[in-house]
Amino acid sequence: GAVVSQHPSRVICKSGTSVKIECRSLDFQATTMFWYRQFPKQSLMLMATSNEGSKATYEQGVEKDKFLINHASLTLSTLTVTSAHPEDSSFYICSARAGTGESEAFFGQGTRLTVV
Amino acid sequence: DAKTTQPTSMDCAEGRAANLPCNHSTISGNEYVYWYRQIHSQGPQYIIHGLKNNETNEMASLIITEDRKSSTLILPHATLRDTAVYYCIVSSGAGSYQLTFGKGTKLSVIP
Repeated sequence: GAVVSQHPSRVICKSGTSVKIECRSLDFQATTMFWYRQFPKQSLMLMATSNEGSKATYEQGVEKDKFLINHASLTLSTLTVTSAHPEDSSFYICSARAGTGESEAFFGQGTRLTVV
Repeated sequence: DAKTTQPTSMDCAEGRAANLPCNHSTISGNEYVYWYRQIHSQGPQYIIHGLKNNETNEMASLIITEDRKSSTLILPHATLRDTAVYYCIVSSGAGSYQLTFGKGTKLSVIP
């Protein structure tokens, strides 16, 4: 199947700093990518929908000024966690669709963020 | 998107078929049933999806009841590497194609 690559897989940062996570579709173009967050022993929660060339759509309760999303090309979306705090420590996962209609979504391997 | 209900956990003996049920009684006519799984500390992996006909691929089979109110994912010969959380998701697949994850079923394959 199609491949979605996420980088880095793990990152530790100090409280107050910013962290950028990249999500790339390696063998297909994705006009829409999705960012999820998963806390321990919980399910994935959709944070935002990233649209190439336009502003991201954020889910209720997700601060758009804290979680900056940029989808500058059809193969790359980035999530920047600004002024990170320990409560932002989580597993961040991106996904993208390879086609249209009911075609399946493919997920990156996830990024484990730890804020100390 | 319609809500789904899955058992919290299941066990399956290695080499046997694993049958994972999912209820989606409020599914609408244009909604598909998708199955994903998540192995610990990894991103979800697509398994299979279908609308109303049964589907089979190299990983699994999907059996959808005639009224489409429930479905079963079948892993024909479970291995230890199939231990994961399995998510049944109903989505129309149209528009922005968001996937809403429930709690899923924790499948443990036992030697």
